[in-house]
Amino acid sequence: DAKTTQPPSMDCAEGRAANLPCNHSTISGNEYVYWYRQIHSQGPQYIIHGLKNNETNEMASLIITEDRKSSTLILPHATLRDTAVYYCIAQNAGNMLTFGGGTRLMVKP
Amino acid sequence: GAVVSQHPSWVICKSGTSVKIECRSLDFQATTMFWYRQFPKQSLMLMATSNEGSKATYEQGVEKDKFLINHASLTLSTLTVTSAHPEDSSFYICSADRTSGKAGELFFGEGSRLTVL
Repeated sequence: DAKTTQPPSMDCAEGRAANLPCNHSTISGNEYVYWYRQIHSQGPQYIIHGLKNNETNEMASLIITEDRKSSTLILPHATLRDTAVYYCIAQNAGNMLTFGGGTRLMVKP
Repeated sequence: GAVVSQHPSWVICKSGTSVKIECRSLDFQATTMFWYRQFPKQSLMLMATSNEGSKATYEQGVEKDKFLINHASLTLSTLTVTSAHPEDSSFYICSADRTSGKAGELFFGEGSRLTVL
């Protein structure tokens, strides 16, 4: 499974876009990029995942570089409730998820 | 969306007690469930993979006799922490792989906080 690198923490102003980067330079061709988040003292929540193409859903957008060595999760209009630890995971589909340190996003009013 | 429920949410027990935590998939069947442990300010660490009708697969360093896992049905997996000690105090989280869901989209329970005195 590819190792991912994320900044340990980030701040974002409420109402602004939050752009969370993730490096996965050793990702293999059949590994997906998954994003989950964990709000304090709760179980992780699925956000989005992708393989090659950019993806968008009601929660966020996922931008994957052409070489697939990095990606960015975009929360278009961050709210205080988006404060959480965000995990980027590069893994084969169907396998269990291996969590790294994640990025602690603090959305400030 | 799919719901995974854990029970109890929080348990406080004396050292030496065995504690059972249940993980249920409420509206879907899960042939595979995963158990994670999370210490304060740390990431989730996979403990074991639970497959319905067969023995669980434990990660390196996790004692199978200490953490008993039973996955007797497609909607229920249980984790029993045997003879719990204070160092077992942690946040235990399960996740379920919906067999007909999107690949890699795991559904997580709310977590169960174990405090061993």
